[in-house]
Amino acid sequence: DVVMTQSPLSLSVTLGQPASISCRSSQSLVHSDGNTYLNWFHQRPGQSPRRLIYQVSNRDSGVPDRFSGSGSGTDFTLKISRVEAEDVGDYYCTQGTHWLTFGPGTKVDI
Amino acid sequence: QVQLVESGGGLVKPGGSLRLSCVASGFTFSGYYMSWIRQAPGKGLELVSYTSARSDNTGYADSVKGRFTISRDNAKNSLYLQMDSLRAEDTAMYYCVKDATKNGPDYWGQGTLVTVSS
Repeated sequence: DVVMTQSPLSLSVTLGQPASISCRSSQSLVHSDGNTYLNWFHQRPGQSPRRLIYQVSNRDSGVPDRFSGSGSGTDFTLKISRVEAEDVGDYYCTQGTHWLTFGPGTKVDI
Repeated sequence: QVQLVESGGGLVKPGGSLRLSCVASGFTFSGYYMSWIRQAPGKGLELVSYTSARSDNTGYADSVKGRFTISRDNAKNSLYLQMDSLRAEDTAMYYCVKDATKNGPDYWGQGTLVTVSS
């Protein structure tokens, strides 16, 4: 299976300040169809995960534009331009190019 | 709106069995892949199993292969997971999710907790 790693694993942020999470895969995530299936999920405490971004940089409906994704190949980044209180929780990168696997998660607190 | 409601979790002894169910609404269930994803307490996420819309393509994580069986009943908008020979390491919250294919699940249920302990 493709191994996903994230850094940092824990991130303490200040409201209104930017935040960034890195994600790396053990293999290229470029699919034979030409797309790169790297996605980001957010899980608030006590809740189910919610998808934020799919295929590296496409925001899901209802996701604020302060969230952005970038990257290619094996290296990817999730950025929050100005952190808000509701952004606390765990963030997971996941790849769907091969058997779906998740990163270990990054815990974000204020 | 899309809703996924799981049931069937509980406490079971090692070696025992459980059957999880998920009832879907708010979308054309018969048109989508469905999957089960689990999360052990305080741990990360793991795709357990998936099934295609017509059940002609299924897949399992190595950790559950030969012990778990996924199935669906499109007439009842329902997804199932039969879990046999349960182990302590199967203890987790089990989520029913819609379309966990390349883009990852776009909808998740609230989960049902499975605890395997003597």
